[in-house]
Amino acid sequence: GENVEQHPSTLSVQEGDSAVIKCTYSDSASNYFPWYKQELGKRPQLIIDIRSNVGEKKDQRIAVTLNKTAKHFSLHITETQPEDSAVYFCAAHNTGYQKVTFGTGTKLQVIP
Amino acid sequence: KAGVTQTPRYLIKTRGQQVTLSCSPISGHRSVSWYQQTPGQGLQFLFEYFSETQRNKGNFPGRFSGRQFSNSRSEMNVSTLELGDSALYLCASSLAGANNEQFFGPGTRLTVL
Repeated sequence: GENVEQHPSTLSVQEGDSAVIKCTYSDSASNYFPWYKQELGKRPQLIIDIRSNVGEKKDQRIAVTLNKTAKHFSLHITETQPEDSAVYFCAAHNTGYQKVTFGTGTKLQVIP
Repeated sequence: KAGVTQTPRYLIKTRGQQVTLSCSPISGHRSVSWYQQTPGQGLQFLFEYFSETQRNKGNFPGRFSGRQFSNSRSEMNVSTLELGDSALYLCASSLAGANNEQFFGPGTRLTVL
């Protein structure tokens, strides 16, 4: 089955610096890759997603890149702010088989 | 429109008991997925339902089961509860499944004593 590895498991950055979280997946048929942010005690919420026919997508301070050949995708957060502190999850979807596999999460701490 | 709702929000059971959790998706969403979230394992996929049919199932024992009703509301059942079943159970709804954005409910926190 699909395996999604996410690194690092924890990340501390100074406010204003950039943060990068990386995920690798094993199923080459995976074709949809969302990123979720989960604040403490709250539900995961989609922050950005990318499909396999696109290499990069940006939304203000957040960007995701996808390398299908290497089977990895990354979340980039620029100009981090304290409210970016949360756990971030990547996921890989195989839409043909309706299968979703999540990474184990990255706890991001932005230090003011 | 109203978001995904789950009931109950908190549940305490003892080993050997069974439990039923409920999920009401966003209106118009036909796909409901269930996940188990634990501190050490992250989000583990349980199963996904679409139009009352289970389309996929994760690697959980048969004690975990689910169903979906004609109005897209879904329930999951865990029988013969074990201590290790203590977790946050999240459901997520989407328009049609794995190719669409998923919207998560607030979760049901299950504690097994």
